[in-house]
Amino acid sequence: SQQGEEDPQALSIQEGENATMNCSYKTSINNLQWYRQNSGRGLVHLILIRSNEREKHSGRLRVTLDTSKKSSSLLITASRAADTASYFCATDLNRDDKIIFGKGTRLHILP
Amino acid sequence: DAMVIQNPRYQVTQFGKPVTLSCSQTLNHNVMYWYQQKSSQAPKLLFHYYDKDFNNEADTPDNFQSRRPNTSFCFLDIRSPGLGDAAMYLCATSRDPSGSFYNEQFFGPGTRLTVL
Repeated sequence: SQQGEEDPQALSIQEGENATMNCSYKTSINNLQWYRQNSGRGLVHLILIRSNEREKHSGRLRVTLDTSKKSSSLLITASRAADTASYFCATDLNRDDKIIFGKGTRLHILP
Repeated sequence: DAMVIQNPRYQVTQFGKPVTLSCSQTLNHNVMYWYQQKSSQAPKLLFHYYDKDFNNEADTPDNFQSRRPNTSFCFLDIRSPGLGDAAMYLCATSRDPSGSFYNEQFFGPGTRLTVL
C-alpha cells in the first residue's frame, strides 16, 4: 500500500528560483528520507530526518517534518539545471529494514 | 569507490524466456533489496535479504525469485517474463539498520528490462 504521497506531481520553475515539494504519509514513522532520481538512473539519497527532528539542512536543501500532520517538505533553494530530476520521499513504517517510496515529484528547471 | 553495480544495464528477453539480473556491492552491507519501477511510478519493493534471511513482499508474484549466494551478490530471476514485467529493476543496499545506522539505502544504476 502507498505510504507517501508527494505533491505536486510535476513542477516547472525558472533556474534560480526555489522549489518546494511536499510529502504526506499515513502511519507513524521513525524517520523520513528524500531521494533524487535522474532520468533512467538509480536513486540517490539526499537527506534523512528523524521523527524527533523538525528541520534539517544540507547545502541548498532544507527538509521539514511535522509528525502531527504526517507531512514533510523539501525545499531546494537557488535551483540549477542539474536539479532537474524526480524527487521521492520514503518512510520506514517503524521498521528498520525497509522503506516505502511515495509517487514522486518530477521537477524541471527551465533555463 | 564503494558502490552498487548492476549488470546488465539493459536486458532484452522474449516473452516466457527466463532471465536473470545481477547485483553486486562493495559496501559490505547486510541488507540487499530488489525494486521494480515502471515509468513515472515509485519504486516498488519486491523482496529483500537481511543477511541470509529472505523477506518477500506479499504482493510479489511467484514469477519473481531471488538468490543471495554471499554478502556481495544478489540475483533476481524472472522465471517466465510477461509483457507487464518490462520495467527498470533497481538493486539497493543498506547497512545493518539496527542500532544507529538507520536505513539509508544505496542504489545501483538499474537494469532496464524489455520483454518482446
